[in-house]
Formats: sequence, structure tokens, C-alpha cells
Amino acid sequence: DVKVTQSSRYLVKRTGEKVFLECVQDMDHENMFWYRQDPGLGLRLIYFSYDVKMKEKGDIPEGYSVSREKKERFSLILESASTNQTSMYLCASRQGPGYGYTFGSGTRLTVV
Amino acid sequence: AQTVTQSQPEMSVQEAETVTLSCTYDTSESDYYLFWYKQPPSRQMILVIRQEAYKQQNATENRFSVNFQKAAKSFSLKISDSQLGDAAMYFCAYRSHAGGTSYGKLTFGQGTILTVHP
Repeated sequence: DVKVTQSSRYLVKRTGEKVFLECVQDMDHENMFWYRQDPGLGLRLIYFSYDVKMKEKGDIPEGYSVSREKKERFSLILESASTNQTSMYLCASRQGPGYGYTFGSGTRLTVV
Repeated sequence: AQTVTQSQPEMSVQEAETVTLSCTYDTSESDYYLFWYKQPPSRQMILVIRQEAYKQQNATENRFSVNFQKAAKSFSLKISDSQLGDAAMYFCAYRSHAGGTSYGKLTFGQGTILTVHP
């Protein structure tokens, strides 16, 4: 069964810390995505990557960066965590245009 | 930019009955895809149903069906014979068929929490 694995289910970090959220897929998918989920706002796209070393800003990239050095791994980086980045973070991948998405189970990040 | 609106933050239904979740969207494109995703407490997003805008026929997957009204930009989900396992957050989502900066991007609605009463 295909899988998208997010390294942490829950994470608590302090304000100002540099935070890494990791996402790994085992399906050889080309495209990967990071979304943020907040109550009443649904999911909003932070960044996406359509190939290794390629990245594109989504709707809310401020305060975040990403890294995709290998096809299977897409990392979301909070350069200096702030309390307004407390949220659920969902990673997704897909093989390419016309294909469906596979989502990870999310990382609930709390910044204190 | 495309927007997706789910105006029902919460809905409830009795087991075995039918419930309809609403979704409207705004776009200037003529070719696109619409989706309903289910997110149970496990948080794993599960694709429920998908509709291509160029297809006039409404998509159906077992107990799940949609009412796609392209002119009205409406895309509602009907769940028949509701089961306890249907309880979840449901998201409506839009994806452009075009490439460019919209490449592969899903735009989600705010979500509707569905409660199923035994």
C-alpha cells in the first residue's frame, strides 16, 4: 500500500526555534505538497514541488521554506517558529498531472 | 484566484438516513476538477469522489453521489444510508486543469464536520 509518512504526529517547539517537518513518500511520486490546516480556514497550500530540487510558493509561504534534495523527501522548514504557526501540517504527494493525491496523517505543531 | 466555500460548519444525520453537504466555488476557468475528501479522526485524508467539469453526468461512488451544477458553480455531496463510519470532517476541493502556477494545486473549502447519530 502506498504511503506518505510524516515524521512526527505531535510536536512542541519554542518561539524562535528552527523547526523541520519531514515528509517521505515511497511511491516515486514527482509532485509533493505542504498544506496547513486551521479550523474555519480549511487547508491552505504553503509550498509545493513538482520535481527534485524544484519548489514553488503556494498561497501562504511567508515564514516557511522547503527543501527537496531527494525525490522521496520533502521538508518544511520554519526558520524562526512563531506562535501563529501553531497548526496542523499535512503533506501530500502525487505521481503527476491527472493522478490522485496521497496524504500523510499530519503533524500537529504547537509553538509556545 | 479560485475560492471554495462550504457554508455548513457542522451537519448531523441519523444512521441510515441521507444527508447533503454543500459546496460552492468561484472560478473563471471552464475546465477543472472537483473533489470531496473525508478526514476522520485519524487525520488521514481520503478521497471520496471526484468530478471532471467537462462531464455533465454526476459522479457516483456507492453511497456517495454529487450534484454538480456547473452554471451555478455548486458541487454538493449526498451521502445515502449514512453509517457511523461516515462521521468525519468533509472537505470540498478544486483543482485547475491548467498548468502554470496553478500546477497541481488543490484549493480547499473550510470543511464540514459530519456527526452520525445511532
